[in-house]
Amino acid sequence: EIVMTQSPATLSVSPGERATLSCRASQSISTNLVWYQQKPGQAPRLLIYGASTRATGVPARFSGSGSGTEFSLTISSLQSEDFAVYYCQHHATWLWTFGLGTKVEIK
Amino acid sequence: EVQLVESGGGVVQPGGSLRLSCAASGFTFSGYYMHWVRQSPEKGLVWVCRINGDGSSTNYADSVRGRFTISRDNAKSTLSLQMNSLRAEDTALYYCVRSESGRFEYWGQGTVVTVSS
Repeated sequence: EIVMTQSPATLSVSPGERATLSCRASQSISTNLVWYQQKPGQAPRLLIYGASTRATGVPARFSGSGSGTEFSLTISSLQSEDFAVYYCQHHATWLWTFGLGTKVEIK
Repeated sequence: EVQLVESGGGVVQPGGSLRLSCAASGFTFSGYYMHWVRQSPEKGLVWVCRINGDGSSTNYADSVRGRFTISRDNAKSTLSLQMNSLRAEDTALYYCVRSESGRFEYWGQGTVVTVSS
């Protein structure tokens, strides 16, 4: 099983600031990496797939990068609606696994 | 508009059974892999199982293999999860999910399963 490790667990950021979230895979997953956003009481929402491709309707302030074992999600200028929990997930094998998430909170 | 609506959750005693359903609409159901993913405060998001478009192939997480069975009825656009021999650690919010090329594109709102005596 590929283990996905996200850091930090919590990120405190002021509105308008930049946020960078990290995700590490326990073995190489090429670019088979997805990011999701989850707000309280809602299902996860697909943000980024293929490590760097934004899903339909996702604002350009969200960007993803990385390959192999190291990945990042950057939110260039945090808006109020961006405060949420973000999860990474791999699909390099059919045994999909998720990270434990990074909570982005208002500083 | 793609819609996935889960039902069937509830409270069940350890060792008991429950059957979850997911009603799909807004897309050609038979054309997609479908999954169940669960979420709990203790373990976060955990993939449970998947089924291919015509129902001929399934995969399960080790934690549920032999106890859970995923199935689909393409004529009714319905996904099901039969859960037997339930354990306390199966307590979670269960999501029905449509995938595309490995990514989980569309999620239902989930149904809560609580295993407790």
